[in-house]
Amino acid sequence: RKEVEQDPGPFNVPEGATVAFNCTYSNSASQSFFWYRQDCRKEPKLLMSVYSSGNEDGRFTAQLNRASQYISLLIRDSKLSDSATYLCAVIKTGANNLFFGTGTRLTVIP
Amino acid sequence: SAVISQKPSRDICQRGTSLTIQCQVDSQVTMMFWYRQQPGQSLTLIATANQGSEATYESGFVIDKFPISRPNLTFSTLTVSNMSPEDSSIYLCSVEGGVTYEQYFGPGTRLTVT
Repeated sequence: RKEVEQDPGPFNVPEGATVAFNCTYSNSASQSFFWYRQDCRKEPKLLMSVYSSGNEDGRFTAQLNRASQYISLLIRDSKLSDSATYLCAVIKTGANNLFFGTGTRLTVIP
Repeated sequence: SAVISQKPSRDICQRGTSLTIQCQVDSQVTMMFWYRQQPGQSLTLIATANQGSEATYESGFVIDKFPISRPNLTFSTLTVSNMSPEDSSIYLCSVEGGVTYEQYFGPGTRLTVT
């Protein structure tokens, strides 16, 4: 079983739409959670860390559900510039390295 | 966050040869990592580059194939040895930002082996 699983999409949504991505992780001892954004032919860039209480940054909201072992990312009022691949990543307790999901491709359509 | 550079940004190499990729950070960092991203896939950790000691390799990756150096807290190299077309990939270094375990990535090296 993979450490982290994501729906690869693609998600094609119109501008202004709200879209949500989920990501499940297999190891209950995972301690840190992140969402990264990766544009085509670029490196992943950290979008948000995900905290137990949930956190929001403008149009982006990240949530963690430890009981069900998933994290989510909600994007409100989608912009064309949000088109990218969104990768979730987790760190297991006692480790430092990231385990990445396969990424979810989002295309925002005019 | 730290500014990370990698050299070369891309290369086309013949099978059987080796390529050394450099990763430079503009500030001292404790943790540096090397990842691989094969075409259409997500990132996989190759190894953690430890300063002053041997790198720690993940399952499926060995030192003979991917020797790593970490001479100081701002620099690391990854060598891809005896390359085959299956090594065609993007190789990325990353650094840990600090107490929050956040990681930041270099721009990557796009390697094509013919």
